[in-house]
Amino acid sequence: GDSVTQMEGPVTLSEEAFLTINCTYTATGYPSLFWYVQYPGEGLQLLLKATKADDKGSNKGFEATYRKETTSFHLEKGSVQVSDSAVYFCALTRNDYKLSFGAGTTVTVRA
Amino acid sequence: EPEVTQTPSHQVTQMGQEVILRCVPISNHLYFYWYRQILGQKVEFLVSFYNNEISEKSEIFDDQFSVERPDGSNFTLKIRSTKLEDSAMYFCASRPPLAGGPNEQFFGPGTRLTVL
Repeated sequence: GDSVTQMEGPVTLSEEAFLTINCTYTATGYPSLFWYVQYPGEGLQLLLKATKADDKGSNKGFEATYRKETTSFHLEKGSVQVSDSAVYFCALTRNDYKLSFGAGTTVTVRA
Repeated sequence: EPEVTQTPSHQVTQMGQEVILRCVPISNHLYFYWYRQILGQKVEFLVSFYNNEISEKSEIFDDQFSVERPDGSNFTLKIRSTKLEDSAMYFCASRPPLAGGPNEQFFGPGTRLTVL
């Protein structure tokens, strides 16, 4: 079945550091890929998405590129802020009926 | 900005009791979902619901679980006889009826269910 594997956390960074969270997937066909973020006390929010190979999703300074050859969708941000502290989830869907999530990576950014 | 809401935020119940978790999806959305996250584990799909019927369900969603959209605004998840292993955060989500997918699912803040 479909599965998503993402980098284990927690990740602790200083402000303005570079952030990478690795995500790889297993799925038949051509899934769409997502990054969701969960800020403390809130629900899951879509951060960015990509629907086909070589697409780059971007939002709020975060980027991820859909790499079919490596079945990856790594999340990057060049300069993190304290407000980026959250849990980040990589996810995929093939049929729009359900999302398959990774385990989540907790990121803490210190001032 | 419209948002998905869930009540209660935290539910504590005794093993074997029935619980109903409530969700109010965004008003023009037509697709509804429940997910759960056991502490320290992945967010797992439970069920999707469209046009007043289940579209897809996972193996977790057994006969102890049911969903309902009783009044056109609420979307509920019922667990008939709770077990200790049902303790988790339960997330509701909804999706708009836009053509061309995939479309974003909008999530609520979750209900933390604790079964004692």
